[in-house]
Amino acid sequence: NAGVTQTPKFQVLKTGQSMTLQCAQDMNHNSMYWYRQDPGMGLRLIYYSASEGTTDKGEVPNGYNVSRLNKREFSLRLESAAPSQTSVYFCASKKGTGGNQPQHFGDGTRLSIL
Amino acid sequence: QKEVEQDPGPLSVPEGAIVSLNCTYSNSAFQYFMWYRQYSRKGPELLMYTYSSGNKEDGRFTAQVDKSSKYISLFIRDSQPSDSATYLCAMSTTQGGSEKLVFGKGTKLTVNP
Repeated sequence: NAGVTQTPKFQVLKTGQSMTLQCAQDMNHNSMYWYRQDPGMGLRLIYYSASEGTTDKGEVPNGYNVSRLNKREFSLRLESAAPSQTSVYFCASKKGTGGNQPQHFGDGTRLSIL
Repeated sequence: QKEVEQDPGPLSVPEGAIVSLNCTYSNSAFQYFMWYRQYSRKGPELLMYTYSSGNKEDGRFTAQVDKSSKYISLFIRDSQPSDSATYLCAMSTTQGGSEKLVFGKGTKLTVNP
């Protein structure tokens, strides 16, 4: 019963390094999402993919890129990491695109940038 | 005015207490309402999902939605130490075929044995 799996769970980077966060779901969901969670800021949407082959910006996309590799996998890339990107990153998925179904989350990647 | 307001707490109660968690919202277009539970160092876990005004019960948990007042609540009866977590409200609507989902910032709950 894996659900949404994120790798790695923890990572420390130096400023300027690049990194790809991986996410895979086994629920045959169409839509996938990347969020960041910061103290006092709540969950903020970075990018989402409504279906295989499509991606769209969310609330805070600057400094990130995404790839929807196939229906199961959705990756988030930091090309040149900055300390402001220190955060906990969550991937989520859901069956459809509308608001009538809830999203299901992975357990996150804790990223520190020095 | 923020679209979703949630008291961050923290909230500390004794075991067995009834807990009330609340969120208010300003966007009358929201149609679907959720509560997520997030344990420390874990992802948000869907706890309750509803789309109509009124109450929905699941075991010790009751979700209440009052669309006229733009107010949702989560009640936990006979609270247990295992209920200690951060609770996030979330609400969504469909706009142009895609979802608008907004989360509250979460209320941290501690249930003391």
